[in-house]
Amino acid sequence: SQTIHQWPATLVQPVGSPLSLECTVEGTSNPNLYWYRQAAGRGLQLLFYSVGIGQISSEVPQNLSASRPQDRQFILSSKKLLLSDSGFYLCACTPGTGIEKLFFGSGTQLSVL
Amino acid sequence: GENVEQHPSTLSVQEGDSAVIKCTYSDSASNYFPWYKQELGKGPQLIIDIRSNVGEKKDQRIAVTLNKTAKHFSLHITETQPEDSAVYFCAASKVSGYSTLTFGKGTMLLVSP
Repeated sequence: SQTIHQWPATLVQPVGSPLSLECTVEGTSNPNLYWYRQAAGRGLQLLFYSVGIGQISSEVPQNLSASRPQDRQFILSSKKLLLSDSGFYLCACTPGTGIEKLFFGSGTQLSVL
Repeated sequence: GENVEQHPSTLSVQEGDSAVIKCTYSDSASNYFPWYKQELGKGPQLIIDIRSNVGEKKDQRIAVTLNKTAKHFSLHITETQPEDSAVYFCAASKVSGYSTLTFGKGTMLLVSP
């Protein structure tokens, strides 16, 4: 079964600073990869998804970007963080053999101050 | 697009009681319905899912029922235990080349000893 590694677990950044969150997946090949954001006390919002290396689709226009340099690596970035970027960021994957089953990583709690 | 409504937003039960969480969806083409459990500070964990060709699915103390005509599905937890306390999310999607899950806003379940 797949394992999703996500780091760091917590991050405090000043407004205007850059961001890089990394996610790697083990145990599956050719996964679809996703970045979700969860604001405090709210539901899950899909930010980006990727069906292959270099292929990124954005669901919500925003201050963030995503990249997929390798099959099992997904990176979430920002050049200049805003206060509104604070939240719980989750990497997820649907394994190559089971399109509908979505599995989440452990998340990164980002606080922008 | 799909819209998923989830009720109640909070649910308190005594240990040993049953808990039921209900969701409705709007897109009759949706055919995949997973449920996730999220503990504080962790990523959501897939606990059970059902496809539209099945009316009910059970896994030990948890079960999910689906009524396609009424477009609603429910999570049933029997013999609740304190460790069942968490936020539960329902979701719905059409199976396609990537995950298109639409999530409910979550139910906070508190099981008191």
